Amino acid sequence: GENVEQHPSTLSVQEGDSAVIKCTYSDSASNYFPWYKQELGKGPQLIIDIRSNVGEKKDQRIAVTLNKTAKHFSLHITETQPEDSAVYFCAARARGSARQLTFGSGTQLTVLP
Amino acid sequence: DTEVTQTPKHLVMGMTNKKSLKCEQHMGHRAMYWYKQKAKKPPELMFVYSYEKLSINESVPSRFSPECPNSSLLNLHLHALQPEDSALYLCASSPRTSEGETQYFGPGTRLLVL
Repeated sequence: GENVEQHPSTLSVQEGDSAVIKCTYSDSASNYFPWYKQELGKGPQLIIDIRSNVGEKKDQRIAVTLNKTAKHFSLHITETQPEDSAVYFCAARARGSARQLTFGSGTQLTVLP
Repeated sequence: DTEVTQTPKHLVMGMTNKKSLKCEQHMGHRAMYWYKQKAKKPPELMFVYSYEKLSINESVPSRFSPECPNSSLLNLHLHALQPEDSALYLCASSPRTSEGETQYFGPGTRLLVL
């Protein structure tokens, strides 16, 4: 089955700096990669996703890049703000196991004012 | 509107109690999911309903019993739980269970089993 590894497990940045979180996946058939943000006491919220026919996607301060050859994808947050502080999960879903998302272990991002 | 609602927000129950968690979505989604999440861990899939039929049960103990009364509602019936079942229970929905369909999560029910 699919295995997703996520790094780093914790990340602290100064407000205004950029943050990058990286994930690797094992199943070359994976074709959908969402990123979720989970604030304390809340459910995961989808912030951006990318499909395997696209190399990069951007939404304001958030961008995701996908390298299918290397089987890794990354979340980039620019101009970080204190409200970006949360746990971020990457996930992957393989073609043929369409009902299941395999999640990474999560990254606790702290943006220091 | 991409809202999934869950009730109650918090639940404390004894090991002999019977309780139910409720989930509702009005986005016309035909796939609904139950996940369990322990502290500092990612969500773990428990059940998947597709068009109101149970399509995946991830070897969940029978003390958890899901139910999908209609396309908008999903319940999780709890009976004789153990303290290790204490966790955040998340409901999610997606348009279908097809490839690449985004899952939207509810806020969760935080369950404590005493």
